[in-house]
Amino acid sequence: EVQLVESGGGLVQPGGSLRLSCAASGFTFSSYSMNWVRQAPGKGLEWVSDIRISSTTTYYADSVKGRFTISRDNAKNSLYLQMNSLRAEDTAVYYCARNPIGGAGYFDLWGRGTLVTVSS
Amino acid sequence: DIVMTQSPDSLAVSLGERATVNCKSSQSVLYSSNNKNYLAWYQQKPGQPPKLLIYWASTRESGVPDRFSGSGSGTDFTLTISSLQAEDVAVYYCQQYYITPYSFGQGTKLEIK
Repeated sequence: EVQLVESGGGLVQPGGSLRLSCAASGFTFSSYSMNWVRQAPGKGLEWVSDIRISSTTTYYADSVKGRFTISRDNAKNSLYLQMNSLRAEDTAVYYCARNPIGGAGYFDLWGRGTLVTVSS
Repeated sequence: DIVMTQSPDSLAVSLGERATVNCKSSQSVLYSSNNKNYLAWYQQKPGQPPKLLIYWASTRESGVPDRFSGSGSGTDFTLTISSLQAEDVAVYYCQQYYITPYSFGQGTKLEIK
């Protein structure tokens, strides 16, 4: 089955760190660009970051630049998001999302998400 | 950055009637070299991740019912549900992928009247 499964969410204090993971299965992970998209409770969708096939090309939303780092391990079919200096406004469900073959920036496959809560 | 604005914020339509959601981008998302609009639509039901409905502004994703259609070009786009079904109750989002940072509209909540 083609799927993405996120993990690593939880409760963290402001200023803390968390590492999210996304396990891909059912498709050739190394052939796809990947993304993180988040959704604050009761709010809309916000694109966070993307990483291209090569892993050397990454992009970030201004709201997380310098604090979050996206990475991938094609041998493990996994995507990661290292989140440092977390703030209350980072509280959200974080979705792993795939771009289609060819790299266009829409998202054709989504995981179910993992909840990150930043609170003291 | 490109700002996406949807209208209305919420919409109530009777079963079997047409539902229309609008999306406007702050700058054109039409790439002149390939004449493609870099615009997608998603459906999100409560407690679920978003689901891709439409890409390239008017191409329906595989498996999406043909009552869903997308139209528009440049800066103005529309998602139309030709005959509303009960299972279409959801929040709908447009997204531009013309340039990073990719951006979404604020969402339109569709309910049954």
